[in-house]
Amino acid sequence: EPEVTQTPSHQVTQMGQEVILRCVPISNHLYFYWYRQILGQKVEFLVSFYNNEISEKSEIFDDQFSVERPDGSNFTLKIRSTKLEDSAMYFCASVLAGPYEQYFGPGTRLTVT
Amino acid sequence: KQEVTQIPAALSVPEGENLVLNCSFTDSAIYNLQWFRQDPGKGLTSLLLIQSSQREQTSGRLNASLDKSSGRSTLYIAASQPGDSATYLCAVNSGYSTLTFGKGTMLLVSP
Repeated sequence: EPEVTQTPSHQVTQMGQEVILRCVPISNHLYFYWYRQILGQKVEFLVSFYNNEISEKSEIFDDQFSVERPDGSNFTLKIRSTKLEDSAMYFCASVLAGPYEQYFGPGTRLTVT
Repeated sequence: KQEVTQIPAALSVPEGENLVLNCSFTDSAIYNLQWFRQDPGKGLTSLLLIQSSQREQTSGRLNASLDKSSGRSTLYIAASQPGDSATYLCAVNSGYSTLTFGKGTMLLVSP
């Protein structure tokens, strides 16, 4: 069964460093998302991406964040200058079309020290 | 702004019991509602999706219902097993694509 994959599974970085989290969505899906979950808190929406552009973003997704689909398979989230409060589990998700089932990847645990 | 609440926050039951998890949402203008399972430190596994026009969906021992007008959904788990122990998340799609999540119900099924 097709699945969303994410790399790395765990990333440790120092405050102020740039990180890139990678995702490979399900191949025929059209919408891509990033969510994050701070330990003990709700899963929060960050950004959605469709047709090679951002379709929606939350107030969390400020200028420090960017997304890219550099080729036909990868979808990346970049954090330019990490802060301690960026420590969280980051989930990538994809969906065939808007109102259908979203499939989530296993997540990348980002630890900022 | 959509808010999703899940009750109870935690639930501990002996194996074999039938149980109900509750989810409520503040804005009834939704496209669909999705139930997920999350094991500790892991990703989200989709269990059931209910479209706004549907009243319920079933998958094996799981049954999810939706009452859009009252802003409620329930997840019914029949004959619970220790392997069902996990956190169950309810998420509402009210913006055509983005999901708003509840905080989850942590379920422990003891043998």
